[in-house]
Amino acid sequence: DGGITQSPKYLFRKEGQNVTLSCEQNLNHDAMYWYRQDPGQGLRLIYYSQIVNDFQKGDIAEGYSVSREKKESFPLTVTSAQKNPTAFYLCASSIDPGLASDEQFFGPGTRLTVL
Amino acid sequence: QKEVEQNSGPLSVPEGAIASLNCTYSDRGSQSFFWYRQYSGKSPELIMFIYSNGDKEDGRFTAQLNKASQYVSLLIRDSQPSDSATYLCAVNPSSGGGADGLTFGKGTHLIIQP
Repeated sequence: DGGITQSPKYLFRKEGQNVTLSCEQNLNHDAMYWYRQDPGQGLRLIYYSQIVNDFQKGDIAEGYSVSREKKESFPLTVTSAQKNPTAFYLCASSIDPGLASDEQFFGPGTRLTVL
Repeated sequence: QKEVEQNSGPLSVPEGAIASLNCTYSDRGSQSFFWYRQYSGKSPELIMFIYSNGDKEDGRFTAQLNKASQYVSLLIRDSQPSDSATYLCAVNPSSGGGADGLTFGKGTHLIIQP
């Protein structure tokens, strides 16, 4: 059963802690993305990766870090430098971002709350 | 700054009527356009994409694109209560062929009244 999985579904973080959100896909997609969604807002791009061992900053990368050591995995670390991390985090993947018809498939999301 | 604008709503439509959702974008070179549906607390799911001027139909859904006016719309015919959700418009920017992710609007909250 192909798809994108994210874990955990809910995550609580104390101020000053770093936390890592998991994203795994078995769709054999080259590109992976991390978005953040705040209430009543659209999705904002944090980081993206087109191939293994390469990733680029999105619009709101400050306070976040990623790695892409395997094609299937694209974990996101929310560091203590991120001033307002409470949000809904969405991971996505796509086959070939160079195609106009390239669809992004989304995982179920992780809801992060800072205590 | 690439921008995608949507009326946040809520847009209330009687069951069985046509729901019309609109989106405008600032980047004239944008290549393709996507409509996602997002239920509360869930992740977005793709409804349709369009990249040629004109209409594209898929079941009860029709996407319309006018690149000269820089707007894209989604029509939902025979609206059902299950269509009640937030609809996100997303644009594939002209630079990088979309490799740097889609630009999303804030979404329109649609309510279908039984």
